[in-house]
Amino acid sequence: DTAVSQTPKYLVTQMGNDKSIKCEQNLGHDTMYWYKQDSKKFLKIMFSYNNKELIINETVPNRFSPKSPDKAHLNLHINSLELGDSAVYFCASSHAYRTDTQYFGPGTRLTVL
Amino acid sequence: GEDVEQSLFLSVREGDSSVINCTYTDSSSTYLYWYKQEPGAGLQLLTYIFSNMDMKQDQRLTVLLNKKDKHLSLRIADTQTGDSAIYFCAESNNNDMRFGAGTRLTVKP
Repeated sequence: DTAVSQTPKYLVTQMGNDKSIKCEQNLGHDTMYWYKQDSKKFLKIMFSYNNKELIINETVPNRFSPKSPDKAHLNLHINSLELGDSAVYFCASSHAYRTDTQYFGPGTRLTVL
Repeated sequence: GEDVEQSLFLSVREGDSSVINCTYTDSSSTYLYWYKQEPGAGLQLLTYIFSNMDMKQDQRLTVLLNKKDKHLSLRIADTQTGDSAIYFCAESNNNDMRFGAGTRLTVKP
């Protein structure tokens, strides 16, 4: 059974387009996250979402917006895609906010042409 | 910036013990993790340790943490062919989570 799933696995799109990446967790967790993996394999946190409280990393451009239709889903919407947005994006979830172990999805490789 | 390093490859024979090592630089790390990634799959959490612990054992897995040297290791006892995968070390503080590049473990029959 998949605990944290993301779709699509791969996404190739043109610069300037708007795209969404979906994330679902079936672990009953209260907190979900989005990370961007940089070229050195480091994961930089973009958003944390816990009980309708959104914590945004201030370095994230406002073209990125998370949308949570319910506790089990946190989708990432990106407007006006730029070349520098090309990366692997990971969704994760945990019971408690930041103090608990996070379980990761398989990642979505986004390529902007 | 902060860094997490691990050796890229490890090869062992089935039944032997495997030891995967990791070093990190962030002195404010609160949690340290080991994740396993099988081909085509996502990251699977294997085990984690709080930064104020020295050791944690979970069945065939033993995690050792030397906080002074910022060294983390994962020992897999009685390694099986099903243990062949990439193992990622990771550390987190209150802001970020950083992963190493992964160690590819190959278990030979």
